[in-house]
Amino acid sequence: DTAVSQTPKYLVTQMGNDKSIKCEQNLGHDTMYWYKQDSKKFLKIMFSYNNKELIINETVPNRFSPKSPDKAHLNLHINSLELGDSAVYFCASSRQSEQYFGPGTRLTVT
Amino acid sequence: GENVEQHPSTLSVQEGDSAVIKCTYSDSASNYFPWYKQELGKGPQLIIDIRSNVGEKKDQRIAVTLNKTAKHFSLHITETQPEDSAVYFCAASISTGANNLFFGTGTRLTVIP
Repeated sequence: DTAVSQTPKYLVTQMGNDKSIKCEQNLGHDTMYWYKQDSKKFLKIMFSYNNKELIINETVPNRFSPKSPDKAHLNLHINSLELGDSAVYFCASSRQSEQYFGPGTRLTVT
Repeated sequence: GENVEQHPSTLSVQEGDSAVIKCTYSDSASNYFPWYKQELGKGPQLIIDIRSNVGEKKDQRIAVTLNKTAKHFSLHITETQPEDSAVYFCAASISTGANNLFFGTGTRLTVIP
C-alpha cells in the first residue's frame, strides 16, 4: 500500500527519557512534516522539511528535533520528555499542496 | 502568523440533512484551503481542497466555497450519512515550497440515523 506510516503507534515512557518516532512515506513526496495534536484535538505544525530547508515552528522546544536519513523518512527525536509532551504526533508528506497524514503516534509521558 | 477559526465546534444533524461548517482565516496571503476528516484513532484524511483562484468546488456530496474578500470558507455536506460522523478540520496555508498547514479547532459532526 502507498501511504505514510509511523512507528510505534503507542509510546508510553517516563519523564526525562529520550525517545524517537519513525515516519516513512512511499508516495515519492519531497516534503515531510510533523504535527502535534493535543488532548483538545488541536493540530499544530511542528516542522516541515525537504531536501533544501527545515522550517521550525518557533513554539517548538529545542528538545524536539527532526532527522531525515533520506527523502522517504523523517524521524522525530525528543529529549528529556516532559508531561506536557503527551499528545498524538502525526507525520505527513506532500509533493505540492496536498498533504497526506500518517496514522499517528500516541505518546504518553508518565 | 496565520490564525484559522472554525465554527461550530459540534454539529448534530439527522441523516439525509445537510451540514455546513465555516472557517475564517487572517492572513490574506493564504491561498490553499484543504478540509480534513478525522475518524477516531486515525490520522486526518484529505477530503476536498480549494485554491484562492476558485470560488467553489464540488465532489459528489461535498462542496467547499471560498470568499477571499471576507477571508472565509465553508464545507457543505449534503445528504449526510452515519459514516460522515467524524471530526472535520479546515486549514489554510501559503502554497509555496513547504506549505505549513494552519488548522482550525475542529468540528465534531454527528449524523443521527
